[in-house]
Amino acid sequence: TQLLEQSPQFLSIQEGENLTVYCNSSSVFSSLQWYRQEPGEGPVLLVTVVTGGEVKKLKRLTFQFGDARKDSSLHITAAQPGDTGLYLCAGDSSGATNKLIFGTGTLLAVQP
Amino acid sequence: NAGVTQTPKFQVLKTGQSMTLQCAQDMNHNSMYWYRQDPGMGLRLIYYSASEGTTDKGEVPNGYNVSRLNKREFSLRLESAAPSQTSVYFCASSRDSDLSYNEQFFGPGTRLTVL
Repeated sequence: TQLLEQSPQFLSIQEGENLTVYCNSSSVFSSLQWYRQEPGEGPVLLVTVVTGGEVKKLKRLTFQFGDARKDSSLHITAAQPGDTGLYLCAGDSSGATNKLIFGTGTLLAVQP
Repeated sequence: NAGVTQTPKFQVLKTGQSMTLQCAQDMNHNSMYWYRQDPGMGLRLIYYSASEGTTDKGEVPNGYNVSRLNKREFSLRLESAAPSQTSVYFCASSRDSDLSYNEQFFGPGTRLTVL
């Protein structure tokens, strides 16, 4: 079974701080997605990265796909209370379809 | 445009009871999925349907059955519920199965407790 491990599992920070969440695997992924899930709701896609070394920015969020396509990171600059939620990475290793492997998640709490 | 809807939102069952979780999407998507989410384990794929008329097993299919009723609807059935099936269940859909270019849209979830 392929695993996607996320670290840290939990993160509680003050508004305005920066943070980085990591997503690591021993497997190569053809693409990797990041989702955010708020309490009582389903995950919502933030970004998809496809090329090794690719960097994508979404306002204060920066996503990077590792050169070897085995890992990814999410960096948040000047965190806001609205960033609070569960962040999930999900990799597609089949290159074909239907086989998204989800990470264990990072629960972020941003205190005002 | 409601996206992906799921019913019920909450359910409590006794061991051995059966139930069906309903899911519908109004985005004209071809592919639909059922996941379960447990603490510390992320989301795990139970079954998926790449297109109307087809279904396939995911990572954890034991104890579940599915029906792709039509393009819009994909149901998940527990024939004889067990406490190990206590979880939050999410239905999702995507335009196609090519994950590199299509996002999955998730419903709000069904919180199931089996006593």
